[in-house]
Amino acid sequence: KAGVTQTPRYLIKTRGQQVTLSCSPISGHRSVSWYQQTPGQGLQFLFEYFSETQRNKGNFPGRFSGRQFSNSRSEMNVSTLELGDSALYLCASSSPRGQYFGPGTRLLVL
Amino acid sequence: AQSVAQPEDQVNVAEGNPLTVKCTYSVSGNPYLFWYVQYPNRGLQFLLKYITGDNLVKGSYGFEAEFNKSQTSFHLKKPSALVSDSALYFCAVRDESSSNTGKLIFGQGTTLQVKP
Repeated sequence: KAGVTQTPRYLIKTRGQQVTLSCSPISGHRSVSWYQQTPGQGLQFLFEYFSETQRNKGNFPGRFSGRQFSNSRSEMNVSTLELGDSALYLCASSSPRGQYFGPGTRLLVL
Repeated sequence: AQSVAQPEDQVNVAEGNPLTVKCTYSVSGNPYLFWYVQYPNRGLQFLLKYITGDNLVKGSYGFEAEFNKSQTSFHLKKPSALVSDSALYFCAVRDESSSNTGKLIFGQGTTLQVKP
């Protein structure tokens, strides 16, 4: 099976812009989780979607949002970008066997 | 609230020697524990997990982890380190606020440096 794919891999934006990141889970996986990784805060949970419904949400401001489509693909959106949003954004898809991560999207906000 | 601690920012070991990367956890119920490895500019790769059963869990690439309930620890081990094992290692616990959740709580990570 193909692994978790994320697009784009790299992104440069400026403050105030918005960005949309995409994640395609492993075929058959219905749960998709998103994490933010920064040197200072480490890996922090953003949200999880299961069957197109948000099942869990982390402690991030409302500028961070997401959705999941009927084919389990997920997108996350960050509006009004801030410098501190520069990070590696990781998507993971889950099955009862475990949680598997994609390569991430590295976002740089200038 | 559950948490995970990795007390060492960096572990240095010589190639061929055994390695241990430490992890302690705090949960109110039964822990679901994981180890992941991250190479530069890559995502996280799953190494192993503990849900129930034997306290010694065997995983990928020759790694294993020992679950110790009394010490609330889940240390990652490998009998003989390779230079290619040099990477960032994360311990994680599954959030127990709801069943079947995909939310993991991660430790801060430990950089493993294996020297030839």
